[in-house]
Amino acid sequence: GAGVSQSPRYKVAKRGQDVALRCDPISGHVSLFWYQQALGQGPEFLTYFQNEAQLDKSGLPSDRFFAERPEGSVSTLKIQRTQQEDSAVYLCASSLSRQYEQYFGPGTRLTVT
Amino acid sequence: ILNVEQSPQSLHVQEGDSTNFTCSFPSSNFYALHWYRWETAKSPEALFVMTLNGDEKKKGRISATLNTKEGYSYLYIKGSQPEDSATYLCASGRTSGTYKYIFGTGTRLKVLA
Repeated sequence: GAGVSQSPRYKVAKRGQDVALRCDPISGHVSLFWYQQALGQGPEFLTYFQNEAQLDKSGLPSDRFFAERPEGSVSTLKIQRTQQEDSAVYLCASSLSRQYEQYFGPGTRLTVT
Repeated sequence: ILNVEQSPQSLHVQEGDSTNFTCSFPSSNFYALHWYRWETAKSPEALFVMTLNGDEKKKGRISATLNTKEGYSYLYIKGSQPEDSATYLCASGRTSGTYKYIFGTGTRLKVLA
């Protein structure tokens, strides 16, 4: 079956621009995580959804970051007024529930110039 | 321990050697421990989900053990093959009012033919 997909795969944004990153999880997966990954590091938690409810957004680095999953399937991570330090790979992962293994998408590589 | 720590950071072994690495995690409010295999330019893929103290899981030549009381897990690879070369990540989930998983920085394994 289809895995987790993310789009775009690559995004170059000028400093100050807004960006929107999309995640299509595996159908039926209740849990959805967003992570930020710096080069050579493990994924760093940003936010967690259980269906459409955002239960944990403690990892979002600033109020410029916003995530939603309005119908409990597709999720969007939005970054407003991008800064150079936002440059990273943004990974989305879904799972049957929070305890189960996470299936990762290919990531979106964001470069802010 | 408050963070997730993995050791060693990197490892080179000869084909056919057996090897093991360690993941240390907070033992309080334990929820689950995940192991992932992460190849360069790909997304992490789940190896094991471990939830009970004393758990032992096995998949082919790879196995893992879990000690939740002291906060560590070992990953073992028996008879390493070049295709085992990857970074092995562990991720710790807790029950203390957060839904996040904290990833370690991984152990980079290189198996030499």
